Formats: sequence, structure tokens, C-alpha cells
Amino acid sequence: DAGITQSPRHKVTETGTPVTLRCHQTENHRYMYWYRQDPGHGLRLIHYSYGVKDTDKGEVSDGYSVSRSKTEDFLLTLESATSSQTSVYFCATGKESNTGELFFGEGSRLTVL
Amino acid sequence: GENVEQHPSTLSVQEGDSAVIKCTYSDSASNYFPWYKQELGKRPQLIIDIRSNVGEKKDQRIAVTLNKTAKHFSLHITETQPEDSAVYFCAASLAGTYKYIFGTGTRLKVLA
Repeated sequence: DAGITQSPRHKVTETGTPVTLRCHQTENHRYMYWYRQDPGHGLRLIHYSYGVKDTDKGEVSDGYSVSRSKTEDFLLTLESATSSQTSVYFCATGKESNTGELFFGEGSRLTVL
Repeated sequence: GENVEQHPSTLSVQEGDSAVIKCTYSDSASNYFPWYKQELGKRPQLIIDIRSNVGEKKDQRIAVTLNKTAKHFSLHITETQPEDSAVYFCAASLAGTYKYIFGTGTRLKVLA
């Protein structure tokens, strides 16, 4: 597996609080992604990055922001968490633009009460 | 925007039988179609992929076929084994972008 670690792995928080999930990679991959996984919806793209400080929105970006200040770290922030954001969040990285394997982190389970 | 539909959502087969999972995509400019396997509690991992200039690709017991005209692609697993039980996701990537859009997943159960 590629060296991709997510933190925290589990978090329980209350509605209205800010939450930041961190993805750290040691593979020097250019592309990084945040997906959320929910039953019946599969993996939905939240935001992605195609380089340091270069990010763009995915399918379900409302309520989320991201930052990438260095190659190895991609942060996902929920400014004010809602119960609809309870989910499992996966970070992924890729070496190639759109024709290569994605390497996933272990996932972060977030519960918003 | 790009959409990927995947069917069926659940599939049960007897050990040794074949399993087929089908996906359709909406953007004719999509040019790369990977399949990922996710075991319970684990991360998704790539099992096979196909590019738009190829019609079929095989790797031991798994194969993927692509029909660009109909905009659909399928995963075929032969001689299924209990360890094939997992959730399988298809995906498509948009040419000229860095996005990978996933299907909703198929839960495959191989019954011993």
C-alpha cells in the first residue's frame, strides 16, 4: 500500500463544531482526493487537488473546504458540522492525471450528533 | 455532469459460479475505467482497469469489457471463491480532468 495515513481515524462531534481531517502521504503523488462513503451512494468526490495550492470542487462540496500547502498534506475542513456529514471519509492519491490507480487511506469515521 | 450507474446493488452467487457487474457512464469523453474491491472495514483497492482504446482485459479469474458505443463496461469474475465476497466499485475518469467518478457499489456474496 502507498504511504497514506488519515487522522483522526474516528471522531464524534456535535452539530455546529468545526472539524478538520488530515491526509498525509509519503509517496510524492501529485493528485489528492477526498471522498465520502455512504450506504447506497458509493464513493462521492468532495474536493480534489492537482498540486500544491491547486484545488477544485467535486460532486458534493457544499459545507466542505480543503487546503494543500505542501505536497504531502491535504486537509478537509467542515466549518460547521451537520448530521448529514456523518460518514466515512477516504483520502486518495494518484500519480497520474486521470488514467492511473488511486491509492486510498484507511478512512476516517466521523459521527456528528 | 458525469454520472456512473452500477448494477446490481447486491449479488449472491454459489461458489464456483460466475458473477457479472455492469456499469454505464454518461460522458462519452471518459477514457479510463477502473474497478475497485473493498473488503469489509478496509480501504478500496484497484483490481483491474481498462482504457478506452481497449475492448477487453483479463487478469486470471477477472476480466473487464468495454463497449464505448453503448457507454457501458462490465466486470466478470469466474470460478468465484468465498474471498471474492466484498463490495465492488466501478469508476470512470473524465478526459482532460483529474476527476474519478464512482458508481454506487455492488455487494457480492459468494455462498459456500
